[in-house]
Amino acid sequence: GENVEQHPSTLSVQEGDSAVIKCTYSDSASNYFPWYKQELGKGPQLIIDIRSNVGEKKDQRIAVTLNKTAKHFSLHITETQPEDSAVYFCAASKTGTYKYIFGTGTRLKVLA
Amino acid sequence: NAGVTQTPKFQVLKTGQSMTLQCAQDMNHNSMYWYRQDPGMGLRLIYYSASEGTTDKGEVPNGYNVSRLNKREFSLRLESAAPSQTSVYFCASSERGGLTNEKLFFGSGTQLSVL
Repeated sequence: GENVEQHPSTLSVQEGDSAVIKCTYSDSASNYFPWYKQELGKGPQLIIDIRSNVGEKKDQRIAVTLNKTAKHFSLHITETQPEDSAVYFCAASKTGTYKYIFGTGTRLKVLA
Repeated sequence: NAGVTQTPKFQVLKTGQSMTLQCAQDMNHNSMYWYRQDPGMGLRLIYYSASEGTTDKGEVPNGYNVSRLNKREFSLRLESAAPSQTSVYFCASSERGGLTNEKLFFGSGTQLSVL
């Protein structure tokens, strides 16, 4: 069935360093790839998304890249700050479906 | 700015008991969803409602029922709770659902323990 693999499961970085989280999807028809941030005790919140007609998207310190041929996409956070500490989820979906397949999450710790 | 509101925030049940999780959104969204979150398994879709008056099964519907009461409200019912249903439950909504892939707005979750 449809699957999204996410790595690593935990990631610790020093404040100011960059963090990269990678996801691989199985359904080649997927065309929408959002990233969600979940802080402790809260629901996930969308931080950035990318569609299959775009290879890269940036929003300040956050960027997402997509490689359709290899079926993987990545989240890049530069100049990390303590408030970036959270669990991050990738997901994949396709037009016409209400189903988002989520990765298993990455716990990011930014060390001050 | 309430967004998606879930009640209760915490609940402890005994095996076999029933309960209903409530969810309401004030953004006039058409589509609503129920997810469960388990350690190491990400978020899995239980049921969704594409629009008022419709409901459909997701990945893990067994043991659950849902009701789309009106455009604002979407409830999740456990008829006979089992320990395997211990989880954190999230309600979400989106403006137009699967017609165009789009942002999901999540509630703050219900932590359910079944003993």
